[in-house]
Amino acid sequence: SQQGEEDPQALSIQEGENATMNCSYKTSINNLQWYRQNSGRGLVHLILIRSNEREKHSGRLRVTLDTSKKSSSLLITASRAADTASYFCAITSTKDTGKLIFGQGTTLQVKP
Amino acid sequence: EAGVVQSPRYKIIEKKQPVAFWCNPISGHNTLYWYRQNLGQGPELLIRYENEEAVDDSQLPKDRFSAERLKGVDSTLKIQPAELGDSAVYLCASSPTGYNSPLHFGNGTRLTVT
Repeated sequence: SQQGEEDPQALSIQEGENATMNCSYKTSINNLQWYRQNSGRGLVHLILIRSNEREKHSGRLRVTLDTSKKSSSLLITASRAADTASYFCAITSTKDTGKLIFGQGTTLQVKP
Repeated sequence: EAGVVQSPRYKIIEKKQPVAFWCNPISGHNTLYWYRQNLGQGPELLIRYENEEAVDDSQLPKDRFSAERLKGVDSTLKIQPAELGDSAVYLCASSPTGYNSPLHFGNGTRLTVT
């Protein structure tokens, strides 16, 4: 499968701690995206990182991309209870630039 | 801007019955996607439209699923007849043309087939 595989599947931390989620994939990519999904809602786009980029920041979010290892990580700093959600990585491969393929997700619980 | 609108939010039907889902994408977004999300899983692409044209329907079970996007705006996804395994959340998303555009998702339709 070309899709991203996330690790860990579930993560539970205390408010104020940092949360790190990892994503691995198998194919050459044009870009990798991270999305958040709150329970019972649709997915919300967080960050898009292109294959020629190594790191991107958005507020408390930091995404890194290592194309040689075919992996990415999402770091959420100073987590809040409102960050409790499922997080998905998704890739656009060079073989089919129109298709966004999602991983299985990491469920994050931030305890107040 | 208004987001992607989907209806209904919930649908419960008996197996073998037909069901339809509706999606109104963000104005100006040429690309429209239908994804299916099973419990605890990531979304899986069913079909992708560029304007009115279905450019990727390789994952759509064509024996029972059909979709249309009239005039390149609204879209409907239909299942006939529904099976127990079709129970899932059906998500619609839209984006401007181009693979470096993020997707905007609706809140989905949760389908339960009994």
